[in-house]
Amino acid sequence: GGIITQTPKFLIGQEGQKLTLKCQQNFNHDTMYWYRQDSGKGLRLIYYSITENDLQKGDLSEGYDASREKKSSFSLTVTSAQKNEMAVFLCASTIGGDTEVFFGKGTRLTVV
Amino acid sequence: TQTVSQSDAHVTVFEGDSVELRCNYSYGGSIYLSWYIQHHGHGLQFLLKYYSGNPVVQGVNGFEAEFSKSDSSFHLRKASVHWSDSAVYFCAACTGYQNFYFGKGTSLTVIP
Repeated sequence: GGIITQTPKFLIGQEGQKLTLKCQQNFNHDTMYWYRQDSGKGLRLIYYSITENDLQKGDLSEGYDASREKKSSFSLTVTSAQKNEMAVFLCASTIGGDTEVFFGKGTRLTVV
Repeated sequence: TQTVSQSDAHVTVFEGDSVELRCNYSYGGSIYLSWYIQHHGHGLQFLLKYYSGNPVVQGVNGFEAEFSKSDSSFHLRKASVHWSDSAVYFCAACTGYQNFYFGKGTSLTVIP
């Protein structure tokens, strides 16, 4: 079996700071995702990537950048951290659209 | 665009009761539907999926879901719940562009 590893598990940053969240998967999956999970609001898609060097914007991409330099890794950058975006960020991957999505355990972002 | 709605934010039942968690979607074309479970402090885990064929699909731990095109629904059911089923359940839809949309989640509490 494979695993999705998200680092760090907890991230504390200052308002206005640029912060990077990292994700690695060893499933050899083509497609990777970044979701933001706010309490009571479910998961909202920030970015996804269907292959190395591909990037697709989700509904919540403003204020974020992403990078897929290798098939196994997908990083997310918060360009200027704001207090209203404290949430859990979930990385996920899948082989294709009609198959199971595998999730990491999340990175909890706190902005002070 | 497509949306996924889960009408119940919270559901509370007693151990041994049956439960149905509701999911409705809005999309006119072919759609891939799935359910995920999230225990507190963990990432999401796949329960079951539907794309075509028999509208009733079986998942892990006694869960099943039924697809209804006429109702645009994919409700999750379990005949007899256990206290360990207490978790947040997410319905998800994908239209083939590998962009998964998730509902806001239903928090299930099972009283022993």
